[in-house]
Amino acid sequence: DTGVSQNPRHKITKRGQNVTFRCDPISEHNRLYWYRQTLGQGPEFLTYFQNEAQLEKSRLLSDRFSAERPKGSFSTLEIQRTEQGDSAMYLCASSLFDGAKNIQYFGAGTRLSVL
Amino acid sequence: DQQVKQNSPSLSVQEGRISILNCDYTNSMFDYFLWYKKYPAEGPTFLISISSIKDKNEDGRFTVFLNKSAKHLSLHIVPSQPGDSAVYFCAASLLNRDDKIIFGKGTRLHILP
Repeated sequence: DTGVSQNPRHKITKRGQNVTFRCDPISEHNRLYWYRQTLGQGPEFLTYFQNEAQLEKSRLLSDRFSAERPKGSFSTLEIQRTEQGDSAMYLCASSLFDGAKNIQYFGAGTRLSVL
Repeated sequence: DQQVKQNSPSLSVQEGRISILNCDYTNSMFDYFLWYKKYPAEGPTFLISISSIKDKNEDGRFTVFLNKSAKHLSLHIVPSQPGDSAVYFCAASLLNRDDKIIFGKGTRLHILP
């Protein structure tokens, strides 16, 4: 059973550094989503792709954040000039959108700590 | 503005009894609802969903009830088992309009022996 895979699982960085996370979705899924979760909150939507096209970005996604999904397969989320407020769990999810339901399957997440 | 609200941060239930987790939403346009379960150090795991055209969906020990007029849904787990101890997230989305899922803050369920 190949689920959604995220790497790395943990990342510790110093303020001002750039970080990049990778997500490998379930292979037959056409949609890929990024969410962020902080302590005591549910996941919050950041952005999503259908194949390689980025279709929506949340206002939470400042210009320091960029996401890509080249060739419609894996995706990367980059944060430039990290700030302490970026410390969170970054979750990736994928789905096979069919118009009748919207079940997203999540990876285990990348926990980012900005010192 | 919290569009999906889970007002109970935690709930303790005796093993074998029924667990009822509640959720309220404010956006009457939501048409698809989901429950996810999360263990520590893991991502949320899909549990059960319901479309707004239904008022009940059942899958084994899990049943979700939807009351559109009250903008309320609930998850029933019966009988509760020790492995059900986790954080449960209620979530909602707008099918075919945008695809993001809006999550509540979660309810931590403790199953007592």
